[in-house]
Amino acid sequence: AQTVTQSQPEMSVQEAETVTLSCTYDTSESDYYLFWYKQPPSRQMILVIRQEAYKQQNATENRFSVNFQKAAKSFSLKISDSQLGDAAMYFCAYRSSGTYKYIFGTGTRLKVLA
Amino acid sequence: ETGVTQTPRHLVMGMTNKKSLKCEQHLGHNAMYWYKQSAKKPLELMFVYNFKEQTENNSVPSRFSPECPNSSHLFLHLHTLQPEDSALYLCASSHFIGSLANTGELFFGEGSRLTVL
Repeated sequence: AQTVTQSQPEMSVQEAETVTLSCTYDTSESDYYLFWYKQPPSRQMILVIRQEAYKQQNATENRFSVNFQKAAKSFSLKISDSQLGDAAMYFCAYRSSGTYKYIFGTGTRLKVLA
Repeated sequence: ETGVTQTPRHLVMGMTNKKSLKCEQHLGHNAMYWYKQSAKKPLELMFVYNFKEQTENNSVPSRFSPECPNSSHLFLHLHTLQPEDSALYLCASSHFIGSLANTGELFFGEGSRLTVL
């Protein structure tokens, strides 16, 4: 069975600095998708960034980028120029191609210090 | 109007009560999901419906009963719950997998916070 592990329950970053959130996963499949979701306090969870496993190039979305290491089964999220609005729970998620079964990690709470 | 709307936002019920959670999506999606979110635990997938047909039932106790009358609405009927069922219940939707519009993204509602006394 696939698993997703986020080993950092909580992280802090100074405003305008860079922070990296870690995620590892376990799967025997070769075709899958990886995601980072953001859940602000009492607000909806929204997609931050996605990565298809067949793509070698790391995905980027403005200040957000990933370091996808397929062989190591690692999928970290880098947030550059951190802003107060980035404070939230961040969840790493995995989905096998052709299924509706998304598997989430336990989340990392990110605090942004002014 | 928000894409995925859940009601009620907060619910307190006794162990003998019967209540329902409602989810509605206005995004034209065909797949809908129920997740349970408990503190310090991964989101737990409960049910998935695709074009009104249940495609996933993740060994959920029968005291949780889903209903999907159409692709836009999803219900979770609750009866004789236990205190450990207290959690945030999240509804999500997506395009169906074969759709060209499917990017894999789930669209979530704000959740229904359930407390079982």
